[in-house]
Amino acid sequence: DTGVSQDPRHKITKRGQNVTFRCDPISEHNRLYWYRQTLGQGPEFLTYFQNEAQLEKSRLLSDRFSAERPKGSFSTLEIQRTEQGDSAMYLCASSPDRAEAFFGQGTRLTVV
Amino acid sequence: GESVGLHLPTLSVQEGDNSIINCAYSNSASDYFIWYKQESGKGPQFIIDIRSNMDKRQGQRVTVLLNKTVKHLSLQIAATQPGDSAVYFCAKGGSQGNLIFGKGTKLSVKP
Repeated sequence: DTGVSQDPRHKITKRGQNVTFRCDPISEHNRLYWYRQTLGQGPEFLTYFQNEAQLEKSRLLSDRFSAERPKGSFSTLEIQRTEQGDSAMYLCASSPDRAEAFFGQGTRLTVV
Repeated sequence: GESVGLHLPTLSVQEGDNSIINCAYSNSASDYFIWYKQESGKGPQFIIDIRSNMDKRQGQRVTVLLNKTVKHLSLQIAATQPGDSAVYFCAKGGSQGNLIFGKGTKLSVKP
């Protein structure tokens, strides 16, 4: 399977804990995006990378959130001091250009 | 600001009928629009896209129509099947290279 891969698929954490998610994009895609999706809503943009450079961050991305793509391949999204409002599906997508983005299956985060 | 909205949150059709899902957008300098299908517990799946210099594009059993005059986008699914049941999102390209999504229309196909 050469699609976008995300790990873990599910994560349950206690409020205040830190969590880290990983995304492996389609190998030839230089753009990588993170989105967040809550129940009944469409995905909301968080941030994106072109190769290893983080080019844009949404206002949704608070200081507790940080994303990296150290070698321009896989990416990690870390949430520090999780809050219940962080509970959501975190989606990663990759694309070769400013067009169709291919999404992974997402990581569902539940903060208890 | 930029936004994308769907006309109906739910749509129910009979198997074999055609489905039409509509979407409106605002203030767009976007050069492309995309339809995604999302099944429960899965990530969005690309269906079809259309560039802003086009009015219509066809795929396998799907057609997307773009009316820039009234800022309206539609997805037509021919001969709808039970496997088409999902939430459908329209999205447009944002200025940051990201996608701006609407809320989604849940399509239910009755056998």
